Amino acid sequence: GQNIDQPTEMTATEGAIVQINCTYQTSGFNGLFWYQQHAGEAPTFLSYNVLDGLEEKGRFSSFLSRSKGYSYLLLKELQMKDSASYLCAVNRPRGGSQGNLIFGKGTKLSVKP
Amino acid sequence: DTAVSQTPKYLVTQMGNDKSIKCEQNLGHDTMYWYKQDSKKFLKIMFSYNNKELIINETVPNRFSPKSPDKAHLNLHINSLELGDSAVYFCASSFGTGGEKLFFGSGTQLSVL
Repeated sequence: GQNIDQPTEMTATEGAIVQINCTYQTSGFNGLFWYQQHAGEAPTFLSYNVLDGLEEKGRFSSFLSRSKGYSYLLLKELQMKDSASYLCAVNRPRGGSQGNLIFGKGTKLSVKP
Repeated sequence: DTAVSQTPKYLVTQMGNDKSIKCEQNLGHDTMYWYKQDSKKFLKIMFSYNNKELIINETVPNRFSPKSPDKAHLNLHINSLELGDSAVYFCASSFGTGGEKLFFGSGTQLSVL
């Protein structure tokens, strides 16, 4: 089976740092994505990790440990506009060169003043 | 200039009706998808097409019939709508079939009464 877990909700304060965790158990692994989704809008790409380690992109960083089936998204200097759902998605191979993204249920982050 | 566009944005209809959602991408991608996001925000793949050919069909009821007239278009027709079909349907596209980064349309909120 495919299982991707992340907390349902988190709250943080403007200007602070927040870490959103994601653990996965999937039949195969070809990389992990983080997407941001504001209410009523489409998910938009944030980051991609295929090798272990930290990928930094401005205020956002994403970490991957393949041996632990674990990733986190780190958001620094939180702003009110960061209030959104954050979706963890695993690229699961389907045979040959094919794969597809399996999404977790998302973590709704609320940033308070 | 919209990369992935889908219409309509909102669809309200009665149980038993038939409806269609249209999707077009101008990114030159070879692969297009339909995802369903339920009330708990769980984003689940329904179908994937590569160059007009169906490559993923995730145990979706056969009341749902995707059609891809060319690689830039993927439409979704739903027959005999049921209450449980109420959800947000997202079209997406990617460069290949290997589980690459997805670009999402803005979603169609379907409400079946």
